[in-house]
Amino acid sequence: GNSVTQMEGPVTLSEEAFLTINCTYTATGYPSLFWYVQYPGEGLQLLLKATKADDKGSNKGFEATYRKETTSFHLEKGSVQVSDSAVYFCALTPLSGGYQKVTFGIGTKLQVIP
Amino acid sequence: EAGVAQSPRYKIIEKRQSVAFWCNPISGHATLYWYQQILGQGPKLLIQFQNNGVVDDSQLPKDRFSAERLKGVDSTLKIQPAKLEDSAVYLCASSLAGTGWDTEAFFGQGTRLTVV
Repeated sequence: GNSVTQMEGPVTLSEEAFLTINCTYTATGYPSLFWYVQYPGEGLQLLLKATKADDKGSNKGFEATYRKETTSFHLEKGSVQVSDSAVYFCALTPLSGGYQKVTFGIGTKLQVIP
Repeated sequence: EAGVAQSPRYKIIEKRQSVAFWCNPISGHATLYWYQQILGQGPKLLIQFQNNGVVDDSQLPKDRFSAERLKGVDSTLKIQPAKLEDSAVYLCASSLAGTGWDTEAFFGQGTRLTVV
């Protein structure tokens, strides 16, 4: 079946540090890949996505590249801010003719300190 | 554009009691999802509706959980009777269409359930 594995947190960084959150996946075919973010007290929001191999999703300074050869979709940001403190979820939806079903990783909590 | 609305935000009940959650999706969204998010885990899909029909309820514990989506708009999720392990955040999400793999799901703020 489909699954997503992401690094366990929490990850604690100082402001302006470089961020990497690892994510690897298992799926048949070529799924679409997503990063969702959940700020404290809020619902999940789509952060970025990539729909085919070598695509790069980007938003708010975050980037992730769809790597088919390593089945990975690592999230990166060059300089984190305190406002980036949140839980980040890697997710996938399978490429199929059926209905979309999103499979999530366990989430990685990021804490950025001033 | 109004987002996905859920109520209540918080609920505390004793085990063996019943509880219901309500969700109003974004207007025009045909697909509605209920997810269960246990602390420290990622969201798990419980049930997915396309309009008012169920397209996936394979992970719904049907002996105690039920959900309906009357008229293809609002939805309610019920637990009866609740167990301690049902303590979680219940997330509702909606999307424009269920088919295809590139459809973004929009999430509500969730209902945090504590069973004591």
